[in-house]
Amino acid sequence: AQSVTQLDSQVPVFEEAPVELRCNYSSSVSVYLFWYVQYPNQGLQLLLKYLSGSTLVKGINGFEAEFNKSQTSFHLRKPSVHISDTAEYFCAVTPITGGGNKLTFGTGTQLKVEL
Amino acid sequence: GAVVSQHPSWVICKSGTSVKIECRSLDFQATTMFWYRQFPKQSLMLMATSNEGSKATYEQGVEKDKFLINHASLTLSTLTVTSAHPEDSSFYICSARPAGVPSEQYFGPGTRLTVT
Repeated sequence: AQSVTQLDSQVPVFEEAPVELRCNYSSSVSVYLFWYVQYPNQGLQLLLKYLSGSTLVKGINGFEAEFNKSQTSFHLRKPSVHISDTAEYFCAVTPITGGGNKLTFGTGTQLKVEL
Repeated sequence: GAVVSQHPSWVICKSGTSVKIECRSLDFQATTMFWYRQFPKQSLMLMATSNEGSKATYEQGVEKDKFLINHASLTLSTLTVTSAHPEDSSFYICSARPAGVPSEQYFGPGTRLTVT
């Protein structure tokens, strides 16, 4: 079984400041890792994913994340946030093999960008 | 590409009635679709996995007789909430996995169900 921990339920940040949203996971098998963004009353949009290769992954909207296997982390970063980045962010994992491609989500982090 | 739609986007129904929610993959074939439930300010909880042409697999604690799932074609899955009660009010989101691409899931925009 897998579990995902997003320790920060809310992260307030001023516009144009950098931000890091933390994600740690636990799994007995190798996993793929994902970050999704959810705007109010909408579904989830994929920001980025790590499948293999370079541990630094670049996604849409200027976000990037780094996979650290030893620390079982996949933190999301953006060097300069914009008001439009205000949303809920979910980290998720799925086993590479087996598991039926089911995603296990973290509890989410509300990013609030202020002027 | 890779668009998933849900219909309706929101619905209000009376207690005791049934509601059907559709999930469609518009530009790809989806061998597997997933149904999630999300309570306010909480994460997504997987309810069931549906594979085209076979019975859905429900997660532990999800009543299969209450949440009927049908995956009749490679582009359509439906979730029917039978005899709905106020506690079934929630945001229901589906996702679809393209055939042959196990690492991808594309999410629909969600359906807000309110049972009065």
